[in-house]
Amino acid sequence: SQTIHQWPATLVQPVGSPLSLECTVEGTSNPNLYWYRQAAGRGLQLLFYSVGIGQISSEVPQNLSASRPQDRQFILSSKKLLLSDSGFYLCAWSGGLEMNTEAFFGQGTRLTVV
Amino acid sequence: KQEVTQIPAALSVPEGENLVLNCSFTDSAIYNLQWFRQDPGKGLTSLLLIQSSQREQTSGRLNASLDKSSGRSTLYIAASQPGDSATYLCAVDSPRANSKLTFGKGITLSVRP
Repeated sequence: SQTIHQWPATLVQPVGSPLSLECTVEGTSNPNLYWYRQAAGRGLQLLFYSVGIGQISSEVPQNLSASRPQDRQFILSSKKLLLSDSGFYLCAWSGGLEMNTEAFFGQGTRLTVV
Repeated sequence: KQEVTQIPAALSVPEGENLVLNCSFTDSAIYNLQWFRQDPGKGLTSLLLIQSSQREQTSGRLNASLDKSSGRSTLYIAASQPGDSATYLCAVDSPRANSKLTFGKGITLSVRP
């Protein structure tokens, strides 16, 4: 069966520090991968999605970047965090060789920038 | 542009009640619609996926229906329990969104013992 891992669960970082959040998927190949941010009262906002290694699409201009160095690994990064980067970040996958159109989410990372 | 609406934002019911959560979307050209559950501080758990060719899906006490022509889906929860308390989100996958899900803001359900 397929599983998705996301870490860390919580993170407190000072303004101006770098960020790296990692997400990995097991049990499938060629998944579509997604990074979402969830802010209170604003719902889920899609930040990045990837349909393959090295293929990243950005949905909104921001202080963050994403990379997909391996088929089942998706990384969210920042060189210098802003206060406004605080939020709940969720990784998700869909598709894969099973052509599974259902989306599955990780447990999320609560990021607080201080 | 696809927009998904869930009203009301919050709902409180006594234990044992059957309830319906509503979801509406503006563009009826969809691939599928998915219902999720989110507990506080946690990720999203997939509950039900309805393909565009289907009218409903069932899992245990949950039943989701889809009416594409009217742009509506409902999630029916039978005999609600306090453990059902959570936020329920619906999301649609549309051709015009290039397989990126469009989410509603969710309905926060509280089931009182």
